[in-house]
Order: sequence, then C-alpha cells, then structure tokens
Amino acid sequence: KAGVTQTPRYLIKTRGQQVTLSCSPISGHRSVSWYQQTPGQGLQFLFEYFSETQRNKGNFPGRFSGRQFSNSRSEMNVSTLELGDSALYLCASSLEGVSTDTQYFGPGTRLTVL
Amino acid sequence: AQSVTQLDSQVPVFEEAPVELRCNYSSSVSVYLFWYVQYPNQGLQLLLKYLSGSTLVKGINGFEAEFNKSQTSFHLRKPSVHISDTAEYFCAVSDRSGGGADGLTFGKGTHLIIQP
Repeated sequence: KAGVTQTPRYLIKTRGQQVTLSCSPISGHRSVSWYQQTPGQGLQFLFEYFSETQRNKGNFPGRFSGRQFSNSRSEMNVSTLELGDSALYLCASSLEGVSTDTQYFGPGTRLTVL
Repeated sequence: AQSVTQLDSQVPVFEEAPVELRCNYSSSVSVYLFWYVQYPNQGLQLLLKYLSGSTLVKGINGFEAEFNKSQTSFHLRKPSVHISDTAEYFCAVSDRSGGGADGLTFGKGTHLIIQP
C-alpha cells in the first residue's frame, strides 16, 4: 500500500507571495491533518479535514487555509507569506480521525521564505 | 488544552545499552498517549499508543512505554538500543473527549544519539 505523499518536497518563496502544498493520503483514509514543524515551536496542529469538511482547526491565522477533495487529497494554502512561515509542513492521514487512529505521516514539504 | 514536556532534548547512549526517554503531560481532560519517531528527512512513524487497558504498552522495534496516571507520565524505554535507533522521538497526546479538536499535541522531541 502506498504511503502518504506530499508535493513538492521543497519550495522557496519570497515574502508576500502565496503557496499551495499538496497531500495525497493512503488509499481509504478519509482524514487528513496538517502540521507545521519548526525548531522553535516544534510540531503544531494546523487543521484536519474529513470527508471534504474542515473538522478541527489549530491556533493559526486565517492566512493558513486548506481544502479536501472528494478523493481525500488535500491542499494547504498560505497567503501573504512571512519569514516566520519557513518550516517543514507535514500532512498525516488516518481512517477516521486524529483522536485515536494511528496517523500516517508524509515526508513533508520544506518551505523557505526569503 | 493539553501540553507535553519531554524533559531531555538530547540523550546519548552507547549501543546495546538500555534507554529511557521521559515524557510528562498536562491536561484538564483525559487523554490518549502516543510516541512517534522521526528519522532524518522522513515523516513521523508511530511507535506505540495507549488508549486504555494495561498501562504497559509494547510497540514496534522493541520499544515499550508505561502510562502512569498519578505522575502524568508516559516514558519510553528500550532494553538494548542499536545504531539504527538514532532518530528524533516525539511524545504526543490527544483529547479523549474532544474528538481530536486540538489535533495531536506534541512535545518538543528528544534526539536519541547512539554511540558505538
């Protein structure tokens, strides 16, 4: 069974631009969650999508948004990029959700904002 | 809201020696507990989780963890480590009653360094 894939793996953007990251979950998984990983703040929960609906959201500004398609693939968008948005963005998929299910993580997209 | 504290940012251990990685959590509600491992340039992989039942949980790669409710701890142990165990280890919790409203709350991680 193929694992979680994320594209692109690396991105370099400048301040003020916007960016879209993509995540393809494991086949059959309906829940996709996104996390931001930085050296200072560690791993922080961004949001979770389940059956095309945002089900849970972390404490991030509205510049961070996402969506999920009918095939469970998910995209995350960050508008008006700031230097502090430089991070590794991880997505994770699971069968039913975050609370008890094993989360399967992708390798991440490393975003650098200049 | 929950918080997770991993008391050691880095733990050096000689190969074949035992290791314990410490994790304490704080929460106003009951939680589920997890340990994940992250190898260089890879995503996270679940080692083990505690949902209910026996407080001693066995996971993959010879790791185990014990849930101690009174001490709000969930320490990870392995009796004999190998070079291949060199990685970053993350303790995490999720809210039992909130349906995952806060996602997984992670500790800052412990870098396990295996010395030959």
